[in-house]
Amino acid sequence: EDQVTQSPEALRLQEGESSSLNCSYTVSGLRGLFWYRQDPGKGPEFLFTLYSAGEEKEKERLKATLTKKESFLHITAPKPEDSATYLCAVQGLRGSQGNLIFGKGTKLSVKP
Amino acid sequence: DSGVTQTPKHLITATGQRVTLRCSPRSGDLSVYWYQQSLDQGLQFLIQYYNGEERAKGNILERFSAQQFPDLHSELNLSSLELGDSALYFCASSPRLAEIYEQYFGPGTRLTVT
Repeated sequence: EDQVTQSPEALRLQEGESSSLNCSYTVSGLRGLFWYRQDPGKGPEFLFTLYSAGEEKEKERLKATLTKKESFLHITAPKPEDSATYLCAVQGLRGSQGNLIFGKGTKLSVKP
Repeated sequence: DSGVTQTPKHLITATGQRVTLRCSPRSGDLSVYWYQQSLDQGLQFLIQYYNGEERAKGNILERFSAQQFPDLHSELNLSSLELGDSALYFCASSPRLAEIYEQYFGPGTRLTVT
């Protein structure tokens, strides 16, 4: 069964304190791994798609990396506006196209 | 703003009732997905439509059904509502079916069943 586990569940950082969020996955052949940001009461906002091990993508203070078993979302010098829940999702070869399996997310709080 | 719209934003109803949630995908997107998000379960895939046809089903209850209309908007129908159906319901859309495309989510409908 395809599965996504994110850790930690919650992370509190001081402004400027860099850290990483982890997404471990078990999937029957990875078609794609996705990172989303979700603010309270709002829809997930797309951040990155990663397709194969070794791939990296960056956007402002965020950098996503992918290995064969996990993905990391590195946050460099975070600001309070980076506070949100970060969701990881995978799309596997088994199962229907487009069916994303989501992790439960990491809730990030950045204090000024 | 993702370009996906959902109505209503909030819905409060009683147990046993039936409600309809509406979604309009991004311009040009043919595929629509419905997800349920509750505090303990996270985001769960319910059902997918592509160009009017059902393509995939996830953990969707028999009391729930959906359809996609010729103008590509979609509706999710929830009937015989129970307290446990209270959740955020999201619609997402993507351009096509055969390739890997990221899904863009709407703002959601918060359903409260009392």
